[in-house]
Amino acid sequence: DAGVTQSPTHLIKTRGQQVTLRCSPISGHKSVSWYQQVLGQGPQFIFQYYEKEERGRGNFPDRFSARQFPNYSSELNVNALLLGDSALYLCASSSPYQTGITYEQYFGPGTRLTVT
Amino acid sequence: QKEVEQNSGPLSVPEGAIASLNCTYSDRGSQSFFWYRQYSGKSPELIMSIYSNGDKEDGRFTAQLNKASQYVSLLIRDSQPSDSATYLCAVTPQGGSEKLVFGKGTKLTVNP
Repeated sequence: DAGVTQSPTHLIKTRGQQVTLRCSPISGHKSVSWYQQVLGQGPQFIFQYYEKEERGRGNFPDRFSARQFPNYSSELNVNALLLGDSALYLCASSSPYQTGITYEQYFGPGTRLTVT
Repeated sequence: QKEVEQNSGPLSVPEGAIASLNCTYSDRGSQSFFWYRQYSGKSPELIMSIYSNGDKEDGRFTAQLNKASQYVSLLIRDSQPSDSATYLCAVTPQGGSEKLVFGKGTKLTVNP
């Protein structure tokens, strides 16, 4: 079975530009979460979506937004890019969401974003 | 106070030895605990999950959880050079959300 897929693999953008990152979860997984990982740090939670609804949001500015589609794939958008947005952006999928229970999350290969 | 703390290392062990990785967390209501392995330039790979106090074994890996001490550890027996990676501890906060809170990771080097 295919794992979590993400596109593109690498991306170079200029400050002030906008970027869209894409993620397809493992087949059968309905929950998608996004994380940002800067060099030397652990991943930081950005968003979680289930059934097209936002179920959680981390401490990120409104320049970050996301959505989930009927096929459970997801997009992460970042507007007005800053140098500090340079990072590895990770998508993770998990099995059906249920309040009070955390399911194992499996990460995709990530998108390496460089802002110059 | 940081939510999840790990020794950044590097931790160096000889091939065949036991590697012990430690993690403490601040949220006493945390419910789910995970260990991920991350090779340089790659994404995190889930290797262990643990939800209740005690030990959980999977092959050469053993996760240990002590909720009273807010401590979770990972033991790697018969360490191999291929185990050389950064190991990330992740915890879900009280309330059981999908949010994972990660430590900074411990870099492990297994020397042949």
